[in-house]
Order: sequence, then structure tokens, then C-alpha cells
Amino acid sequence: DTAVSQTPKYLVTQMGNDKSIKCEQNLGHDTMYWYKQDSKKFLKIMFSYNNKELIINETVPNRFSPKSPDKAHLNLHINSLELGDSAVYFCASSQVGFGGVDNEQFFGPGTRLTVL
Amino acid sequence: DQQVKQNSPSLSVQEGRISILNCDYTNSMFDYFLWYKKYPAEGPTFLISISSIKDKNEDGRFTVFLNKSAKHLSLHIVPSQPGDSAVYFCAAKRGAQKLVFGQGTRLTINP
Repeated sequence: DTAVSQTPKYLVTQMGNDKSIKCEQNLGHDTMYWYKQDSKKFLKIMFSYNNKELIINETVPNRFSPKSPDKAHLNLHINSLELGDSAVYFCASSQVGFGGVDNEQFFGPGTRLTVL
Repeated sequence: DQQVKQNSPSLSVQEGRISILNCDYTNSMFDYFLWYKKYPAEGPTFLISISSIKDKNEDGRFTVFLNKSAKHLSLHIVPSQPGDSAVYFCAAKRGAQKLVFGQGTRLTINP
């Protein structure tokens, strides 16, 4: 009964490949996120979707394309992987409340991506 | 430009003593602050939060203090327990905007 799950947990791949990371939440939340934790350990938001619509799109290369088939799922597809894409990617979800404000976000366990 | 900073990458505290984790921010428009705790190979989990209209919020052994004039918040854990050993992230936001995280502080509680 995991609240936010991600697959795979580990992903090792060659430069230039295309890969996807899947995320699912069973909390009934309407907003989902992708974060990247880089080598300096900062957690930085990449994308946010609310009810399947993109609401936050940070300065991320367009090789990264999120897809939300429904509000319980937010997948991340990465084309032409580069060495610098190696990081831990976290999915999260939250429920947006009054005034469009969400406070607590629930995180998945992370996907460690290693690009060789 | 990192708006939220945790300048101590690590902290070691004796079991039973107080742990104090610090966080500084630069954006005076932030109005909500959160602390997350992260164990290895797991995602961050929410611990405690505080709104900018308050200067203190307490939940059991955990207390968060906010000093808006200094743009500083701290997390106090007392008494510290071995299970508190984890990485602690502070985060801040303004209204409905994105959460901005610090880089984390690794807390180790020694028996």
C-alpha cells in the first residue's frame, strides 16, 4: 500500500539511449511532481502537473518529457541520455487546497539513474 | 542562485541531547517553511512545517523556530534518538509557487 511508488529503483544505461521512469500515487492527490537531486544534493523541481495539466516547467532540456495519462500517474521520459543526467529522480504528489496552495508533498523512494 | 541554504553538511549529536539544524533563506517573500527527513534509499518524508505568521511550531520532540528578520529557521529535536539519524532538508515556498529545498544536513545520533 505504498503511497507514491516509482519504477525502476535503479537504472543504468548508456549515453544516447532513451529511458522512462514511471510514477504512481494512490493518495488521490491532484498534483504530481518530478524532482532531480543532483551531485550537490540539492532537490530541484523539474515539472509539476495538476489534474494532468502541466503547471510548472523549470528550465529543463526538452530531452525530458513528462507524461500524465491520468492524475494518479506521472511518467518521465528522457531522450538521448547524457552523462550529466546521472542523478536521483524523485516523484512526489500533493493535494492543492484553498487558493491553489499545497503544502505537504509526499515523495516516492527515488530512481537512481546512472548514465555511462 | 540558491535561495535556501543549509550550511552544515553534517552534524553529530549524543543520544538524549538536543539536535539543532539550521537553515537560511534569501527570499523574504517565502511564507511557508517545511522540514523533511530522508533515510537512505527512501524519499523525503514530511516532518514539520511553519507559516510565516508564526515564529514557533512544536510537534512532540520536534520544534521549528522561524526568525523572519534574520531569514533563518531552525529545527530542534529533543531528546535526540538513534532513529533520528537521517538527512534533514529544509524547504520554503511562496503561496502556490514551487518548493525550494536546501541541500540537506546529515544528522548522526551517537549512542
